[in-house]
Amino acid sequence: GIQVEQSPPDLILQEGANSTLRCNFSDSVNNLQWFHQNPWGQLINLFYIPSGTKQNGRLSATTVATERYSLLYISSSQTTDSGVYFCAVPTGTASKLTFGTGTRLQVTL
Amino acid sequence: KAGVTQTPRYLIKTRGQQVTLSCSPISGHRSVSWYQQTPGQGLQFLFEYFSETQRNKGNFPGRFSGRQFSNSRSEMNVSTLELGDSALYLCASSSGGTRSEQFFGPGTRLTVL
Repeated sequence: GIQVEQSPPDLILQEGANSTLRCNFSDSVNNLQWFHQNPWGQLINLFYIPSGTKQNGRLSATTVATERYSLLYISSSQTTDSGVYFCAVPTGTASKLTFGTGTRLQVTL
Repeated sequence: KAGVTQTPRYLIKTRGQQVTLSCSPISGHRSVSWYQQTPGQGLQFLFEYFSETQRNKGNFPGRFSGRQFSNSRSEMNVSTLELGDSALYLCASSSGGTRSEQFFGPGTRLTVL
């Protein structure tokens, strides 16, 4: 099956810093989602981005489907950005997502 | 529009018991998928229900089962609980189309003692 790798696995930033999270996938996909898992466990949708670039406030994402990777940019990080970030791609059908292992982000004051 | 809801949010059971978890999707969504999250295995797909039929299934034993009702609400059942079933169970809701975006509920945290 498709493999999804995320890097780095852990990231510690000071408030106000910028960061780039990477998601590599082993096969072609027709969509990709980025999620933020909050401390209570809920997965919050950040981006649905099969290709191209999208921006939402301080966050933006770029997917280069032909090269099988996606990037999530966080600018001017805040303590509320802390948590685990996952990318996920469909395997076979849109409803069967394969998740990466996540990037754990800690933003300190 | 209300989001995905899951009940209960927390459960404590003992080995050998069975448990039923519930998920109500976003209004109008017909697909509900279930995932298990553990520290060791990460997020793993259990199964998907669409229009009351199981459409996809992951690699879990038969102790894990589910169903979907005509209003798209779904239940997941785990029989003969094992310690390793302790996990966060998340359900996802979507329209069910080939490129549909998945939206997750808050999860049910199950502890098996």
